[in-house]
Amino acid sequence: NFMLTQPHSVSESPGKTVTISCTRSSGSIASNYVQWYQQRPGTSPTTVIFEDNQRPSGVPDRFSGSIDSSSNSASLTISGLKTEDEADYFCQSYDSSNLVFGGGTKLTVL
Amino acid sequence: QVQLVESGGGLVKPGGSLRLSCAASGFTFSDYYMSWIRQAPGKGLEWISYISSSRSYTNYADSVKGRFTISRDNAKNSLYLQMNSLRAEDTAVYYCARVSPRIPVAGLFDYWGQGTLVTVSS
Repeated sequence: NFMLTQPHSVSESPGKTVTISCTRSSGSIASNYVQWYQQRPGTSPTTVIFEDNQRPSGVPDRFSGSIDSSSNSASLTISGLKTEDEADYFCQSYDSSNLVFGGGTKLTVL
Repeated sequence: QVQLVESGGGLVKPGGSLRLSCAASGFTFSDYYMSWIRQAPGKGLEWISYISSSRSYTNYADSVKGRFTISRDNAKNSLYLQMNSLRAEDTAVYYCARVSPRIPVAGLFDYWGQGTLVTVSS
């Protein structure tokens, strides 16, 4: 089984841009799509990025996703940060037999 | 609108059993894969299991294989999780989630329930 490793926490100021990484331990990051979920305190997760870089309807274009085969990682970038973006963010991917979530990154907008 | 409502959580002793239910509404339940995902207190998300729309295919995380059983009743628009031989480390909020049909095994969960808390403790 593979693992997805995320930084435990990141912080940035309103209006700035932040990038959260998600590194796959084995197998190619490009072989299986990556999803990103946002979870605000006390609520259920919601999708902000699916299939590496697709945004569900209703998610602002301040959210973008990408993958980098050289570092075997995926990234979630949030530009023009707002205080409402403060949440936990989880990456997720899969292989032939398992679905795996990253450990989550707590984003603080201060 | 899509609604997923979990029930059945509670306090159970180690080694005990519990059955979770998820009532679905607002969509054609029988058309979708469904999944269970859990979150231990203050921790991250862990995928547990999914079941195909026709019940013909199930898959489980290694951490629950042989102890948990996922099932569904399409006539009742309901998803279930039978949990046996429960351990302290199974303590978590258990979410029911609908799987997007784009690539069912990819883990794109497009709707989540509010979760039900399972506490395993003596």
